[in-house]
Amino acid sequence: GAVVSQHPSRVICKSGTSVKIECRSLDFQATTMFWYRQFPKQSLMLMATSNEGSKATYEQGVEKDKFLINHASLTLSTLTVTSAHPEDSSFYICSAKLPGLAGGRNTQYFGPGTRLTVL
Amino acid sequence: SQELEQSPQSLIVQEGKNLTINCTSSKTLYGLYWYKQKYGEGLIFLMMLQKGGEEKSHEKITAKLDEKKQQSSLHITASQPSHAGIYLCGAVRYDYKLSFGAGTTVTVRA
Repeated sequence: GAVVSQHPSRVICKSGTSVKIECRSLDFQATTMFWYRQFPKQSLMLMATSNEGSKATYEQGVEKDKFLINHASLTLSTLTVTSAHPEDSSFYICSAKLPGLAGGRNTQYFGPGTRLTVL
Repeated sequence: SQELEQSPQSLIVQEGKNLTINCTSSKTLYGLYWYKQKYGEGLIFLMMLQKGGEEKSHEKITAKLDEKKQQSSLHITASQPSHAGIYLCGAVRYDYKLSFGAGTTVTVRA
């Protein structure tokens, strides 16, 4: 159980275009999903928290207009990188957690990641 | 902010040998997660520790959280090639989000 998928797994785009990445919880409903960014040989950096039915909350230093997040249903969150530039090239990973906060329900289950390359 | 330090940064171990990874927090941990990642892939949940002194095991992997809840260790017994990867510890923040350490890269040599 607790499987999270991401699509696409890899994407290459031209500078100035927008790219949408999907994150789906396959066998559970996730009211909360998280988007992370990971640079080579570095750890994960939380970008934003995606809440179903409400606006996403962004971490300090993350541009809201640059990284648009939509959590349209209990199983789908999307991250759109707008007007992408080469410095946006990175590995983007999403995670989803079970509803509630007690004990193990805070466990996040991660997707396989999306490798974005902006030319 | 939650500061997590992992050590060592990387290690190479002979197949069949044991290894230990440490994760130290600057603040008391609400909870501590261990994940494994292969380069360019997602994270696989290993274990979650919440109580001081707690210890959990799964197959050949054991994780402990000290009594003060500021340090955790991950121990692998009789390592195998399948244990190779990047091990990340993640601390539960006050807002229930996760803050990760820099990771430890494990290489297992046959």
